[in-house]
Amino acid sequence: DAGVTQSPTHLIKTRGQQVTLRCSPKSGHDTVSWYQQALGQGPQFIFQYYEEEERQRGNFPDRFSGHQFPNYSSELNVNALLLGDSALYLCASSLGRELDQPQHFGDGTRLSIL
Amino acid sequence: ILNVEQSPQSLHVQEGDSTNFTCSFPSSNFYALHWYRWETAKSPEALFVMTLNGDEKKKGRISATLNTKEGYSYLYIKGSQPEDSATYLCAFHSGYSTLTFGKGTMLLVSP
Repeated sequence: DAGVTQSPTHLIKTRGQQVTLRCSPKSGHDTVSWYQQALGQGPQFIFQYYEEEERQRGNFPDRFSGHQFPNYSSELNVNALLLGDSALYLCASSLGRELDQPQHFGDGTRLSIL
Repeated sequence: ILNVEQSPQSLHVQEGDSTNFTCSFPSSNFYALHWYRWETAKSPEALFVMTLNGDEKKKGRISATLNTKEGYSYLYIKGSQPEDSATYLCAFHSGYSTLTFGKGTMLLVSP
């Protein structure tokens, strides 16, 4: 039973570039959420995708966008990268949109901006 | 902006000690409270999702209680083992919001 998988594991970019991170949810899950964890902070919610649409969004600028595919996998895109975007990006999947279900997390993508 | 506070920030105990951490959250519009364990170089693992005031949940040596009226949850570990070393995160959901995480409590258990 495959868990949540994220790629790549690590990524180094420079300011102004664009990046795409990928996530495959746990088998049987249909909802994907993305989180950003900066150093010393807890994970911060970016957005949630369900039925290929963004359903909820946290306090992140439009530079952060996403997509969900028919197979429930998801991408997170960040444009015009800033130094402050350096963080661990976590993907979590669940069955259904409701947040009274546990989130199943991937190992994350470590993004470093130079 | 919802405020979720966890204390202590870090904790160092000896093997066999019992320990507990606190998660404080807004007492209004409560919907769910999550606890996760995050070991180094691994992904966060769900421990409990609690939805009812007075709820108590248990998983092996780990248990949690919930008080939604006063806005806090306790996580207890009985007889800590080195493999319990991890960061323990709580996350609050109000029903109108997304999951808001605390900064976590980092636990180190020495043999």
